Amino acid sequence: AQRVTQPEKLLSVFKGAPVELKCNYSYSGSPELFWYVQYSRQRLQLLLRHISRESIKGFTADLNKGETSFHLKKPFAQEEDSAMYYCALMAYGNKLVFGAGTILRVKS
Amino acid sequence: EPEVTQTPSHQVTQMGQEVILRCVPISNHLYFYWYRQILGQKVEFLVSFYNNEISEKSEIFDDQFSVERPDGSNFTLKIRSTKLEDSAMYFCASSETANYGYTFGSGTRLTVV
Repeated sequence: AQRVTQPEKLLSVFKGAPVELKCNYSYSGSPELFWYVQYSRQRLQLLLRHISRESIKGFTADLNKGETSFHLKKPFAQEEDSAMYYCALMAYGNKLVFGAGTILRVKS
Repeated sequence: EPEVTQTPSHQVTQMGQEVILRCVPISNHLYFYWYRQILGQKVEFLVSFYNNEISEKSEIFDDQFSVERPDGSNFTLKIRSTKLEDSAMYFCASSETANYGYTFGSGTRLTVV
């Protein structure tokens, strides 16, 4: 079965604090994982793909196959990072399976 | 930056009516998708479309749903006879290649009354 789990509905941190948004997956094949971000009243935007190993807006995510995790991290949160974050798995048939999403609130 | 465009942004329809949701994917993209998100729930896959045919569809995508690429630019989702439970945000997406990661449109909020 293919599943993405984001255990936290809401993560609230102070500006400048480190951020870790958790994502665990279940997939029998070789996983391709993504993080999408949705700012208030805007569209879903691709933030990161694990295969490109990039850092966007200071965010990074490392695929850990042993723990079946793809946590999103940022060392110093900024207020403009406040948004809904979705972890997603590319499953067979080129379809994305989404987690439930985590709201990140960065407080000043 | 190229965008996926969806119209209308909000549609209200009566139960049993047909609706057509419209999308203009990014021009050089070859793969097209529809997803939906019922309020408070996950974003769910509906259908993928490539080379003028459906390549994958979910169990949600029953006979009431259909997709079409009527010309070189538009990609439409039709719901033949809407039900209350079809009320959701519908997202169109496109990608240049498979497994690359999509570009999503801003969504159409469908309200069935």
